[in-house]
Amino acid sequence: GAGVSQTPSNKVTEKGKYVELRCDPISGHTALYWYRQSLGQGPEFLIYFQGTGAADDSGLPNDRFFAVRPEGSVSTLKIQRTERGDSAVYLCASSSRGERLGADTQYFGPGTRLTVL
Amino acid sequence: GNSVTQMEGPVTLSEEAFLTINCTYTATGYPSLFWYVQYPGEGLQLLLKATKADDKGSNKGFEATYRKETTSFHLEKGSVQVSDSAVYFCALNNQGGKLIFGQGTELSVKP
Repeated sequence: GAGVSQTPSNKVTEKGKYVELRCDPISGHTALYWYRQSLGQGPEFLIYFQGTGAADDSGLPNDRFFAVRPEGSVSTLKIQRTERGDSAVYLCASSSRGERLGADTQYFGPGTRLTVL
Repeated sequence: GNSVTQMEGPVTLSEEAFLTINCTYTATGYPSLFWYVQYPGEGLQLLLKATKADDKGSNKGFEATYRKETTSFHLEKGSVQVSDSAVYFCALNNQGGKLIFGQGTELSVKP
């Protein structure tokens, strides 16, 4: 079946602009996660949705970052007033809740490479 | 807080050599532990996991045992292949939604 998909695969923008990154999770997965990966580092957690609501947004770095999942499927990560430090690969993952909390396998998409000039 | 520490790379081995990539963690309670792999040009994919102490995860010849007494989850493979060249990430999930990753270890296997 189809995996997690993310669009666009690459996004180049100018400092101060607004960007939206989209994630399509695996069909039927109730949980959706956003991470950010800088070069040479492991992914860092941003936000986690269970259904339509944000269950944990503790990783969002500041109020320029916002994410929504209005119908419990597709999610959009929104970044306002982009800065050069926002340049990274933004990863989305999804999982189904079958095992005990925290034991679920998260399936990752290919990522969106964001470059802020 | 929760954290993961991996051995630094890059690790360079000859084909058929034995591989160990060390991973230790800090966490309260009983986290689940994971190894993810990122092959060149591809996305992150789960390699193996263990959800409770003394469990052994295994896949594609790789193994890792959840050792609570040493807070470790070292990745091993008896005989590596060129196709195993990738970046390997150790991660934990402490009964919440988020994965906490180590910084990654790059493995290069030479023929």
